[in-house]
Amino acid sequence: EVHLVQSGAEVKKPGESLKISCQVSGYSFTNYWIGWVRQMPGKGLEWVGIISLRDSDTRYSLSFQGQVTMSVDKSISTAYLQWSSLKASDTAIYYCARPRGVTNYDAYNMWGQGTMVTVSS
Amino acid sequence: DIQMTQSPSTLSASVGDRVTITCRASQNIYVWLAWYQQKPGKVPNLLIYKTSYLESGVPSRFSGSGSGTEFTLTINSLQPDDSATYYCQHYHNNGGTFGQGTKVEI
Repeated sequence: EVHLVQSGAEVKKPGESLKISCQVSGYSFTNYWIGWVRQMPGKGLEWVGIISLRDSDTRYSLSFQGQVTMSVDKSISTAYLQWSSLKASDTAIYYCARPRGVTNYDAYNMWGQGTMVTVSS
Repeated sequence: DIQMTQSPSTLSASVGDRVTITCRASQNIYVWLAWYQQKPGKVPNLLIYKTSYLESGVPSRFSGSGSGTEFTLTINSLQPDDSATYYCQHYHNNGGTFGQGTKVEI
């Protein structure tokens, strides 16, 4: 059975750095991509980007390009989303999600449970 | 970037009704569209992919149609459990833009 398990909730101050994780199990890790989706409090879903678990090829939304960095550690089947300098506007739930197929252009049928990131002074 | 616009933003209906949600793309996206259901406090759940393909385990009262720039999600015989927010998503090689969501109230 496929599982995407995300790291726990974080409370940070503006300007701090953060790296959240998404550990995958139950399938051949490197065959797929992992996408990241943001949901600000009370708002809709926003596509952040997607990363290949095979070769770390990335695609970023123009809205998030330069604001976040995606990475992968194949040795522990984990994808990451990180910030170098958080802002209050980064407060949101961040989901990782896996496309149905092995390409990056497919609907997401597997989701992590979400990581709540709170940025407040 | 391709923009995805859903309508209506909110929809009120009764059990047994047939409801339709529309998603419009700012340019031709062929059939690369998915629909998700999200209940409060829960993770999004894929309902439909590639415009009209029902994801495994999803009730058959959900259906999708369209092509090009206009797409619809139809829920036949609305059930109390269908109370949720529904999102369309255009997925492609360089992105995955979501619509703003449609809240369905029963």
